[in-house]
Amino acid sequence: QKEVEQNSGPLSVPEGAIASLNCTYSDRVSQSFFWYRQYSGKSPELIMSIYSNGDKEDGRFTAQLNKASQYVSLLIRDSQPSDSATYLCAVKTRGYNKLIFGAGTRLAVHP
Amino acid sequence: GAVVSQHPSRVICKSGTSVKIECRSLDFQATTMFWYRQFPKQSLMLMATSNEGSKATYEQGVEKDKFLINHASLTLSTLTVTSAHPEDSSFYICSANPGQGGYEQYFGPGTRLTVT
Repeated sequence: QKEVEQNSGPLSVPEGAIASLNCTYSDRVSQSFFWYRQYSGKSPELIMSIYSNGDKEDGRFTAQLNKASQYVSLLIRDSQPSDSATYLCAVKTRGYNKLIFGAGTRLAVHP
Repeated sequence: GAVVSQHPSRVICKSGTSVKIECRSLDFQATTMFWYRQFPKQSLMLMATSNEGSKATYEQGVEKDKFLINHASLTLSTLTVTSAHPEDSSFYICSANPGQGGYEQYFGPGTRLTVT
């Protein structure tokens, strides 16, 4: 079992819809969770961090964390074609200062 | 805030030569920096964790004598690819953590290395 799992996609959504990206992790003691966006040929860009159970909203983005289910998600409201990118879920587990990245989900927002 | 730069952005070198890539945190001090490699259409692969003033911690399977890492100051880490070969051609990306209790990493723009 991979430490951080994401569906590779592509996830295709129409412009204006809500895109829902999911991530599961295997280490129950994981503490910190991050979502990064990576455009093709570019480096990852941090878009959200979440540390406690529940929802965290920032503009059109909402991160959701459920530690009991070992599940973190990212919702993008009013999706735009410019949101088309690969979204990486990253997890920090206790005892390590590095992040474990998922393989990413490719999102395609079509007009 | 939290800006990380990398230099060069693109480099082409001949097989057998060495290439140095610099990673700088511009507006914060970074006790820890990280070096990643990413092949086309593949996921990020952590190569090593760079600790200021001490030896880097390499991930399993990464040759420490081939990928030399130096973290001489709180704002600068360097990665030297020694005796580069075509299979080392890749996108090398560094990241830095500002510390202060958080674990988020901010990435540099990356360096695209092509070995001919």
